Amino acid sequence: QVQLQESGPGLVKPSGTLSLTCAVSGGSISSSNWWNWVRQPPGKGLEWIGEIDHSGTTNYNPSLKSRVTISVDKSKNQFSLKVNSVTAADTAVYYCARDGGTGWYWGQGTLVTVSS
Amino acid sequence: DIQMTQSPSSLSASVGDRVTITCRASQSIGSYLNWYQQKPGKAPNLLIYAASTLQSGVPSRFSGSGSGTDFTLTISSLQPEDFATYYCQQSYSTPRTFGQGTKVEIK
Repeated sequence: QVQLQESGPGLVKPSGTLSLTCAVSGGSISSSNWWNWVRQPPGKGLEWIGEIDHSGTTNYNPSLKSRVTISVDKSKNQFSLKVNSVTAADTAVYYCARDGGTGWYWGQGTLVTVSS
Repeated sequence: DIQMTQSPSSLSASVGDRVTITCRASQSIGSYLNWYQQKPGKAPNLLIYAASTLQSGVPSRFSGSGSGTDFTLTISSLQPEDFATYYCQQSYSTPRTFGQGTKVEIK
């Protein structure tokens, strides 16, 4: 059973870069899946950030595209998220999720706060 | 972008009640519709995929129906552990989009 685990700093300064990693266990990141990032501001709904497949093909939410980069590291069986020029509006729980074509399976999420 | 609109945004119900949540897409998405349950402080959990297929391990009181633009999640007999927020999600095209959520509260 594939499991996902997010990791990264819980506090980022305004105008800085948010960097998170999602470690994949119990399966290969090179399998036929799309690997996603989603965020949820406190008390609000879910916002899709973007996705990547094992070959490095990416799709991004147009609302965030100019600030976001998603990459994959097959040697470490993980994928990563970078968000540049963060503001308080980027404060959220960030989730990674696997799309295997039969619904999504999620990591537990990690809270990132943007504050000085 | 495909907009997903859920209704109602919240509802109050009693244990044993039949509960129905609707999700409408701004354009046809075939059966590319998933439903998730989210409890406070937890990640979303997959209930239904492809509009009507029950995820393994999910109780049979949950069911999904619909295709095209109109979809429904039904809980046939609400249990105490079902009080949560429910989200629909389209996987037809990017950007992937979610409904705004339906919070099911205890009456």
